[in-house]
Amino acid sequence: GAGVSQTPSNKVTEKGKYVELRCDPISGHTALYWYRQSLGQGPEFLIYFQGTGAADDSGLPNDRFFAVRPEGSVSTLKIQRTERGDSAVYLCASSLTGTQFYEQYFGPGTRLTVT
Amino acid sequence: GNSVTQMEGPVTLSEEAFLTINCTYTATGYPSLFWYVQYPGEGLQLLLKATKADDKGSNKGFEATYRKETTSFHLEKGSVQVSDSAVYFCAFNSGGSNYKLTFGKGTLLTVNP
Repeated sequence: GAGVSQTPSNKVTEKGKYVELRCDPISGHTALYWYRQSLGQGPEFLIYFQGTGAADDSGLPNDRFFAVRPEGSVSTLKIQRTERGDSAVYLCASSLTGTQFYEQYFGPGTRLTVT
Repeated sequence: GNSVTQMEGPVTLSEEAFLTINCTYTATGYPSLFWYVQYPGEGLQLLLKATKADDKGSNKGFEATYRKETTSFHLEKGSVQVSDSAVYFCAFNSGGSNYKLTFGKGTLLTVNP
């Protein structure tokens, strides 16, 4: 079946611009996660959705970052006033439910470059 | 706080060599432990997992045992292949009411023929 998809695969933007990154989870998965992976590092947690609500947004670095999941399926990560330090690969993952026993399936990521 | 310390790479081996990648973790509660793999040009994939102490996860010839007393989850394979060349990430989830993953920095493995 279809896996997690993310669009766009690459995004280049100028400093100060607004960007949106989209994630389509596996159908029927209620839990959705966003992570950020900087060069040479492991992914770092940003936010977790259970259904439509953000159950844990403790990883969002500041208030320029925001994410939504209005219908409990597709999610959008929004970054305002982008900075060069935001350049990274943004990963989305989904799992059947938000329990420790269910595997998180990762998408291919969106590579964001802020110039 | 929660963290994963993973053996730094890069690691370069010849085909059929024995592989160990060390991983230790600092976590509260009763985490589940994972190894993820990222092959060149591909996304992160779960390689194996263990959900309680003394469990052994295994897949594709790789093994790792959940050692609570040493807070370790070392990855091993008896005979590596060129196709095992990838970046390997040790990770755990923090349990509780959500299961976000905490990752190590990753170890690049290159296997030469």
